[in-house]
Amino acid sequence: SSELTQDPAVSVALGQTVRITCQGDSLRSYYASWFQQKPGQAPILVAYGRHNRPSGIPDRFSGSSSGNTASLTITGAQAEDEADYYCNSRDISGHTWVFGGGTRLTVL
Amino acid sequence: EVQLVESGGGLVQSGGSLRLSCAASGFTFSSYEMNWVRQAPGKGLEWVSYISSSGSSIYYADSVKGRFTISRDNAKNSVYLQMNSLSAGDTAVYYCAREGTVYYETSGYQGNYFDSWGQGTLVTVSS
Repeated sequence: SSELTQDPAVSVALGQTVRITCQGDSLRSYYASWFQQKPGQAPILVAYGRHNRPSGIPDRFSGSSSGNTASLTITGAQAEDEADYYCNSRDISGHTWVFGGGTRLTVL
Repeated sequence: EVQLVESGGGLVQSGGSLRLSCAASGFTFSSYEMNWVRQAPGKGLEWVSYISSSGSSIYYADSVKGRFTISRDNAKNSVYLQMNSLSAGDTAVYYCAREGTVYYETSGYQGNYFDSWGQGTLVTVSS
């Protein structure tokens, strides 16, 4: 089965831009989705597909992909963006799913 | 408004069984593929199982294959997870998640993503 690799932790100064990355072979065939999770809460979808964002998600969140790497960029990070972020995609087999290990974002 | 509400979690002894339910509302349940995802305390998300809209296609993570069974009842707008032979490693919050679909005409790409999640139900397996 495939694996998705994320940096365990990333920090960003308030108002600055941060990129969270996700690497894996499955990303050559499938776009990643990105989820934000705050303590004690269920994950919420913040970006998916080529450049899609669900309604209600601020436009400072954007997803992109190149080769085996997907990225979530937060442009002008806010204090409320401090959370765990997970990437996810179909497994290379196309039948199952895989999650990255998660990245804890700290907004300084 | 899409709503997914999990239930059935609780404390169970190692080797025991539990059946989780996920009640859906706010959308045409029978048109959507569904999944179960779990999260052990302090750990990341782990995909558990998938069921197609009709129930004809089912997949499991290797960690639960042979022990867990996913099913759905489209008349009741519900998806279930029967969990047998539970061990401490199954202790987690279990979420049900709906799959949405994205299609890009220019490239012909069609892919799915988890567009809605329930609030989760906690399963604790005691040894």
